[in-house]
Amino acid sequence: TQLLEQSPQFLSIQEGENLTVYCNSSSVFSSLQWYRQEPGEGPVLLVTVVTGGEVKKLKRLTFQFGDARKDSSLHITAAQPGDTGLYLCAAVMDYKLSFGAGTTVTVRA
Amino acid sequence: EAGVTQSPTHLIKTRGQQATLRCSPISGHTSVYWYQQALGLGLQFLLWYDEGEERNRGNFPPRFSGRQFPNYSSELNVNALELEDSALYLCASSSTGSGANVLTFGAGSRLTVL
Repeated sequence: TQLLEQSPQFLSIQEGENLTVYCNSSSVFSSLQWYRQEPGEGPVLLVTVVTGGEVKKLKRLTFQFGDARKDSSLHITAAQPGDTGLYLCAAVMDYKLSFGAGTTVTVRA
Repeated sequence: EAGVTQSPTHLIKTRGQQATLRCSPISGHTSVYWYQQALGLGLQFLLWYDEGEERNRGNFPPRFSGRQFPNYSSELNVNALELEDSALYLCASSSTGSGANVLTFGAGSRLTVL
């Protein structure tokens, strides 16, 4: 059973469209991280959110941490083919970083 | 600065054999983490080493083991290989031993068990 539930599992969109990926849990976290993994590579950290209600922007990516610190979302505006990858949320549980199963995003040119 | 390096990139074994995977952390990082990424299952935590000691272990059988050397590099051993051990094995390092720090991942070692 995944303690971090990500949805959707797969997302395929046209270049220029917007998309949102969700990460939910029944647990409260002190912080939550988002990673992107491209084929043949390891995951790369995009952002860490630590405050309930926090919104962080990274160019066309917007990350939000829920008020109760149990959920988070990643919104991409005007997606580009370079945004293609596996998006993973992660949080510390029992002294280790645990990951959701990920959302595979494909942006078609 | 070199990132986390893993070897081999690919490894093919048959059932019952043993596999050894290696990881060199970023210079100055003392903690090494191992994860298994099987298709559709996301990253599953395997092991955490810090200062040469095993600090935490995931829900994997004892045939998954490892060690950390004095230079902080690490080795993951998988004995009595089973078909379901086929996966990408990722190593990550961090600069503190808290287990909660930012992880820098290597590109992984792809293990295929036939």
